[in-house]
Amino acid sequence: AQSVSQHNHHVILSEAASLELGCNYSYGGTVNLFWYVQYPGQHLQLLLKYFSGDPLVKGIKGFEAEFIKSKFSFNLRKPSVQWSDTAEYFCAVLNSNSGYALNFGKGTSLLVTP
Amino acid sequence: GAVVSQHPSRVICKSGTSVKIECRSLDFQATTMFWYRQFPKQSLMLMATSNEGSKATYEQGVEKDKFLINHASLTLSTLTVTSAHPEDSSFYICSARVGEGYNSSPLHFGNGTRLTVT
Repeated sequence: AQSVSQHNHHVILSEAASLELGCNYSYGGTVNLFWYVQYPGQHLQLLLKYFSGDPLVKGIKGFEAEFIKSKFSFNLRKPSVQWSDTAEYFCAVLNSNSGYALNFGKGTSLLVTP
Repeated sequence: GAVVSQHPSRVICKSGTSVKIECRSLDFQATTMFWYRQFPKQSLMLMATSNEGSKATYEQGVEKDKFLINHASLTLSTLTVTSAHPEDSSFYICSARVGEGYNSSPLHFGNGTRLTVT
């Protein structure tokens, strides 16, 4: 089944620093990839998604991700983080074997310090 | 946007009792809903796919007799944790997709239910 792995479990950055969170997927065929964010005490929210087309995907709140097929990667980036970006970030892949549910990575906890 | 409401947000129950968690799609119909479980500091693990009007599809390792899922209408799915034990304590999250096709929209998530079994 399709799966994703996230390498950075905890990231601490100062405000205005650039962010890149790694995500690698395992499946060699067609993949549909997502990044979700979970702010403290809130539900998961979609940041962006990739289905096909332009491999550079722009999402909400200034986030973007690049689908690099040769590297099996879908890293999340933001040029300049803010304190309000402190949250848990999850990479996910569509699982066609489970009614098109999502399989999630373990998540990356981002702390942005003032 | 699409809203998924989950109730209760927190529940504490005694070992051996059963707990029901409701998941509602408030402004759309969902033929399929998904139930996830999230352990502390870990990822969301898919438990089962809930299909309106039919039996749920459980992931490997998930006890269907312990985690009863009922999807009685296009806007409501329930998860009942039967004979709960402390190891069932976890964060349970439901999600749903607007529309039929997998690429019609992403999954929308409820706020989750924190279950604590004493």
